[in-house]
Amino acid sequence: DGGITQSPKYLFRKEGQNVTLSCEQNLNHDAMYWYRQDPGQGLRLIYYSQIVNDFQKGDIAEGYSVSREKKESFPLTVTSAQKNPTAFYLCASSIGQDYSPLHFGNGTRLTVT
Amino acid sequence: DAKTTQPTSMDCAEGRAANLPCNHSTISGNEYVYWYRQIHSQGPQYIIHGLKNNETNEMASLIITEDRKSSTLILPHATLRDTAVYYCIVRLYRDDKIIFGKGTRLHILP
Repeated sequence: DGGITQSPKYLFRKEGQNVTLSCEQNLNHDAMYWYRQDPGQGLRLIYYSQIVNDFQKGDIAEGYSVSREKKESFPLTVTSAQKNPTAFYLCASSIGQDYSPLHFGNGTRLTVT
Repeated sequence: DAKTTQPTSMDCAEGRAANLPCNHSTISGNEYVYWYRQIHSQGPQYIIHGLKNNETNEMASLIITEDRKSSTLILPHATLRDTAVYYCIVRLYRDDKIIFGKGTRLHILP
């Protein structure tokens, strides 16, 4: 079945370390997104990419970096510059045309201590 | 900022229709209304979307007012598995900066 895979489901890191979250999709979607969710809050957009080798900052890009070298992959790196990295991270994709809906992965819960 | 306003939480009895309201008073003529839901610790799931006509699919119905300033998502026969946070968003054509608000936490009561 086609879908979006985020791995790992839970991730633990020490403060000051960079960490990369994986997001892979086999839906042949052009657009991909990263959102952050804090407890009891909605989703906040970190980065998004409409095509390979191109991406744009969302509302809270500071302290994060992304790459889009392949259509199916959109990894997110949480750098040591991110002040409060502990959160639930969600990756999504869409066809990228017209009004196609977003398809989400099941998220990675990152804990930094 | 999100372009929509939703109640923080709602209750609905199991088997009854759940009606979730959403205000989007600043919506423009070519923005669609989308609904998603998020069950605890999972990724959001797409439910339905519409422009100005009412829409229905196997999951829900979407009623949009004539002035398009508000809409209602209807789950016709709510079950315990419908307990989730429901997000209403508006989206411009090919606008990839899709913003989510805090949504409505729906509790289905047995």
